[in-house]
Amino acid sequence: DIVMTQTPLSSPVILGQPASISCRSSQSLVHSDGNTYLSWLQQRPGQPPRLLIYKISNRFSGVPDRFSGSGAGTDFTLKISRVEGEDVGVYYCMQATQFPFTFGPGTKVDIK
Amino acid sequence: DVQLVESGGGLVTPGGSLRLSCAASGFIFSDYSMNWVRQAPGKGLEWVSSISSSSTYIYYADSVKGRFIISRDNAKNSVYLQMNSLRAEDTAVYYCTRGADGYTKFDCWGQGTLVTVSS
Repeated sequence: DIVMTQTPLSSPVILGQPASISCRSSQSLVHSDGNTYLSWLQQRPGQPPRLLIYKISNRFSGVPDRFSGSGAGTDFTLKISRVEGEDVGVYYCMQATQFPFTFGPGTKVDIK
Repeated sequence: DVQLVESGGGLVTPGGSLRLSCAASGFIFSDYSMNWVRQAPGKGLEWVSSISSSSTYIYYADSVKGRFIISRDNAKNSVYLQMNSLRAEDTAVYYCTRGADGYTKFDCWGQGTLVTVSS
């Protein structure tokens, strides 16, 4: 199974400042079709998860452009250019390159 | 609007069974794979099972293989999770998710249904 790790696990941030979360996979997420199926999800308190980014860097419909994804192979990053109050929650990376699909442990983002 | 609504959760004793349902609306259900993901209280997300659009391909996490059965009824726009031989560690909120781009993009999530396994 592909193991996903995230750093940091907790990230207190100042409103208006940037935030960055790293995600690493135990093996390459490049699929045989050439795509890399790495997604980022946001889970606000008391809410179900919500898709933010898919295939490393593609923002899902309705996701603000302050969210961006980057990376390749085994190393990926989610960046929030300027954190807003509604960004508080837990962020998960997820790989869908290979079954079983796996998630990172989550990074809790809150306001300092 | 695309919507997924789970039902069927509740309290069950260890060794018991439960059937979860997920009703979909707002999209052509038969065009999409569907998935179940669970979240134990205070914990992270765990993928449970996936089923292709026509039920041809089915996948399970090792933790539920042989105990859980995923199925779908495209005429009823619904996906199901039959959970047998339940254990305390199956206690979780179970989310139904839509899988776009094959299985790879979990782009719509239900609100979840809580399953509690306890004596």
